[in-house]
Amino acid sequence: EVRLVQSGPEVKMPGESLKISCTASGYEFAKYWLGWVRHMPGKGLEWVGLIYPGDSEVRYNPSFEGLVTMSADRSINTAYLQLSGLRASDSAMYYCASSVGSTTCLNNWGQGTLLTVSS
Amino acid sequence: DIQMTQSPSTLSASVGDRVTITCRASQTFRGWLAWYQHKPGKAPQLLMHDTSRLERGVPSRFSGSASGTEFTLTISSLQPEDSATYYCQHYTFSSGTFGQGTKVEV
Repeated sequence: EVRLVQSGPEVKMPGESLKISCTASGYEFAKYWLGWVRHMPGKGLEWVGLIYPGDSEVRYNPSFEGLVTMSADRSINTAYLQLSGLRASDSAMYYCASSVGSTTCLNNWGQGTLLTVSS
Repeated sequence: DIQMTQSPSTLSASVGDRVTITCRASQTFRGWLAWYQHKPGKAPQLLMHDTSRLERGVPSRFSGSASGTEFTLTISSLQPEDSATYYCQHYTFSSGTFGQGTKVEV
């Protein structure tokens, strides 16, 4: 069974940094693209980007480039989403999701990590 | 980048109704269109990919189709558990644009 387990909810101050983790099991982590999706309160889903854990190749949504950094550690089947210089507008639920298959649709999702940025 | 325009933004229907949600793409592309169901407090769930390929375990009342730049999700007989927000997504190896979402109230 494919499982993605994300790190827990976070409360941060403006200007701080954060690294959300996403630990995968039940499939060959290095072989399939993994995506990140943002869901702001009351808004729609936003595609943040993709990472291929096999070689850490990344593809960013231009709207998020420079604002987030995706990385992966194949040795522990874990992907990361780093956000720096946090602002209140970064407050959202962040999901990781794998694309186990030949394309990049997101067929297995983590439970989400809720980020609250507040002074 | 291809933009996806989804409609309607909300719809209210009764149990047993046939409902249709549409996504229109800004350019033609072949096939790589997915539909997700998102319920409050839960992670989104992939319903189908490649326009019409249903995921395992998804009820057969859900179906997908395409005509030109217009992609359609149809629920043939709406059930109470179908209350959710539905999103289309055009996915490639370098992008993954979501539609704006359609909130379905049963």
